[in-house]
Amino acid sequence: DVKVTQSSRYLVKRTGEKVFLECVQDMDHENMFWYRQDPGLGLRLIYFSYDVKMKEKGDIPEGYSVSREKKERFSLILESASTNQTSMYLCASRQDRADSNQPQHFGDGTRLSIL
Amino acid sequence: SQQGEEDPQALSIQEGENATMNCSYKTSINNLQWYRQNSGRGLVHLILIRSNEREKHSGRLRVTLDTSKKSSSLLITASRAADTASYFCATADVYYGNNRLAFGKGNQVVVIP
Repeated sequence: DVKVTQSSRYLVKRTGEKVFLECVQDMDHENMFWYRQDPGLGLRLIYFSYDVKMKEKGDIPEGYSVSREKKERFSLILESASTNQTSMYLCASRQDRADSNQPQHFGDGTRLSIL
Repeated sequence: SQQGEEDPQALSIQEGENATMNCSYKTSINNLQWYRQNSGRGLVHLILIRSNEREKHSGRLRVTLDTSKKSSSLLITASRAADTASYFCATADVYYGNNRLAFGKGNQVVVIP
């Protein structure tokens, strides 16, 4: 089974801090994704990566950046955390970018609170 | 990007009954996927139906796809308390492929023992 591991289940940070959310997958997947999930808004794509050092903006990239230095690890960075970034953050991976008929595999999420 | 939208938003049923959820979307798709999310956890993939398929089964799950109406339904038969969760549909747009799944807002299902 694919395992996608997010480093923290719960995280509390202060406004203005630089925040790192880490995600690791163990199945050599090419694609990795970061979403945020908010009540009434569903899942929204922040960034995704289809290869090491490659990234593309999703629907709501403002205020975020990402890093993918190794294939198994995809980090989401909040450059200067703000209260409107309080949310549930979900990481996902998918095996092959050339095949659209494959599912995404999700981690358990990080519930981030910015005070 | 397009949005999958589930209907109804919330459903409460007795154990053993069937649960049906619908999803509509707006553009041309490669496939449509259904995911389940238990409270406080990540999403788990349930089933994927390709645009050239009309019906698919997996255990107690049955998914239909009508591309002419741009809609899909998920049927859970003989529901169990463990089926209590939120269910999301997600579409892979023809243009963006699977890299830009568009998720619906979710459909909460409560199965009463």
